[in-house]
Amino acid sequence: GQSLEQPSEVTAVEGAIVQINCTYQTSGFYGLSWYQQHDGGAPTFLSYNALDGLEETGRFSSFLSRSDSYGYLLLQELQMKDSASYFCAVRSQTGANNLFFGTGTRLTVIP
Amino acid sequence: DAGVIQSPRHEVTEMGQEVTLRCKPISGHDYLFWYRQTMMRGLELLIYFNNNVPIDDSGMPEDRFSAKMPNASFSTLKIQPSEPRDSAVYFCASTPRHNEQFFGPGTRLTVL
Repeated sequence: GQSLEQPSEVTAVEGAIVQINCTYQTSGFYGLSWYQQHDGGAPTFLSYNALDGLEETGRFSSFLSRSDSYGYLLLQELQMKDSASYFCAVRSQTGANNLFFGTGTRLTVIP
Repeated sequence: DAGVIQSPRHEVTEMGQEVTLRCKPISGHDYLFWYRQTMMRGLELLIYFNNNVPIDDSGMPEDRFSAKMPNASFSTLKIQPSEPRDSAVYFCASTPRHNEQFFGPGTRLTVL
């Protein structure tokens, strides 16, 4: 089976930095993705890590440690518009493109 | 490109009726996915296609659910007969590769 764990809610102040963690258990592992979803909207892709280390894209960074079955999404210089749900998702089969999504972390940015 | 297109955006129907959801993937994307999202169960993969062929339908909850992809630019998800517990937001997504899926706006289905 597969399981993903991430905090259900996080609150942070505008301008601050927040880290959203994700731990996973899968029979196979080929990559960890992060998606953002605003209320009433569709998930949108943020990042993908297949190898250990940090990937940076603007204010967002994503980290993966395969040995620890752990990753995180780091959001810097938080803005009010970053209030949304953030999902980690694993690709657990080689040659396949299906993803297994976590239950999501609802981030609330306060002034 | 217009992105992934789904129709209808909202559907309200009565229990027992047939529901058909439609999806047009982004041109050139070989993979198409159908997801269902609810508060209780989160985002669940129902089925996905590669080059119009169903690859994994293990997420389809029951025989009442069926999906087809007759060509590269069109897919349907059908529920017959529908039940109140099928109420959810159904997303279609497509991708040309494994590290980024593009989601459509979703269809919000309410079964009374």
